[in-house]
Amino acid sequence: ELKVEQNPLFLSMQEGKNYTIYCNYSTTSDRLYWYRQDPGKSLESLFVLLSNGAVKQEGRLMASLDTKARLSTLHITAAVHDLSATYFCAGGFNTDKLIFGTGTRLQVFP
Amino acid sequence: NAGVTQTPKFRILKIGQSMTLQCAQDMNHNYMYWYRQDPGMGLKLIYYSVGAGITDKGEVPNGYNVSRSTTEDFPLRLELAAPSQTSVYFCASSQRFGYTFGSGTRLTVV
Repeated sequence: ELKVEQNPLFLSMQEGKNYTIYCNYSTTSDRLYWYRQDPGKSLESLFVLLSNGAVKQEGRLMASLDTKARLSTLHITAAVHDLSATYFCAGGFNTDKLIFGTGTRLQVFP
Repeated sequence: NAGVTQTPKFRILKIGQSMTLQCAQDMNHNYMYWYRQDPGMGLKLIYYSVGAGITDKGEVPNGYNVSRSTTEDFPLRLELAAPSQTSVYFCASSQRFGYTFGSGTRLTVV
């Protein structure tokens, strides 16, 4: 059974601090996605990681992929309140079906 | 560009009623998907389609049916609605590595 696990499930962090969200998956995946979801909204695509060692950055967010370890990370640098949302990773697992993790609810406070 | 359009946005059903959630995309994508998202959880794949006339089950197909008579449309049918089907339903389409999600249908079964 394919599994995508994220941790932590909840993250409360102070503005200006750094933190990392981890995404582990149980089988080979040829691509890994990160999405952001605001309450009551749809999913916003953040990153698509297509190869081992891929690293992508956008603003205060940086995502990386280690296919050998079956691990992707989403690193938050100097968090700001606007980053408060739920973040999901999802894997393709050699199919076109995306399997999602359980999500990490991030709250950034002053 | 409309992208992926879902209707209705909200619906309340009584137990045992049936309904069809509509999904249409105008990007000529071959692949389409239905996901459900329960409160505080990640997305679970219900059904998907790789092209007109071809559908397959996802992680949680019980209680649902789909059809794909055209490239553009991928309706999801709920027969005999149950409280366990209370959820937010997202339709998505994809081509190669890009996924586009609809805005969701919030369904409550009472």
